[in-house]
Amino acid sequence: EAGVVQSPRYKIIEKKQPVAFWCNPISGHNTLYWYLQNLGQGPELLIRYENEEAVDDSQLPKDRFSAERLKGVDSTLKIQPAELGDSAVYLCASSVTTGTSGGDTQYFGPGTRLTVL
Amino acid sequence: GDSVTQMEGPVTLSEEAFLTINCTYTATGYPSLFWYVQYPGEGLQLLLKATKADDKGSNKGFEATYRKETTSFHLEKGSVQVSDSAVYFCALIPISGGYNKLIFGAGTRLAVHP
Repeated sequence: EAGVVQSPRYKIIEKKQPVAFWCNPISGHNTLYWYLQNLGQGPELLIRYENEEAVDDSQLPKDRFSAERLKGVDSTLKIQPAELGDSAVYLCASSVTTGTSGGDTQYFGPGTRLTVL
Repeated sequence: GDSVTQMEGPVTLSEEAFLTINCTYTATGYPSLFWYVQYPGEGLQLLLKATKADDKGSNKGFEATYRKETTSFHLEKGSVQVSDSAVYFCALIPISGGYNKLIFGAGTRLAVHP
């Protein structure tokens, strides 16, 4: 079974430039997550999708960040314009909704490491 | 708010040594608790979990017991191997405020030497 695929793996841009990250979840996984991981920190949830619907985007800085999940499969996270403080690893994860108490197992991709100069 | 605190790393051990990585949490009620592991160049993987008090999660020789009285979920392994070298993250899903909303600690890096 293929895992969560993310691209690019690394991205270096100048500040004020736009950047986009792409995620392909595990086949059949209806829930998709984007996390931000700063250096030396644990991941923090940015947005969660149930199929095409963003059901939790409370931590997404909407002035410069946007995300979409067309057709409920692949997803793109965009930053425009990028700032120096956006340098971090952006993780994508997916899961199948089971309704199990204690949450569903989330499967993570390898992440995209963004460096803003 | 809900949070997770882990012991700072790096933790450096010799092969076959005993491992403990401390994790404590702050949350209302009975959150679900997790340990994730991140090997170099790979994504985070679920290592083990526990969903109620006194539950013990176990996998690959690692264990952690959900201790409500001390709000802890310490990770242990009796004999570590070089291949266990990775970053370990303790996490919780709160009882309210977001189904599937994982809240992570800062991570603890483990280095095992032959």
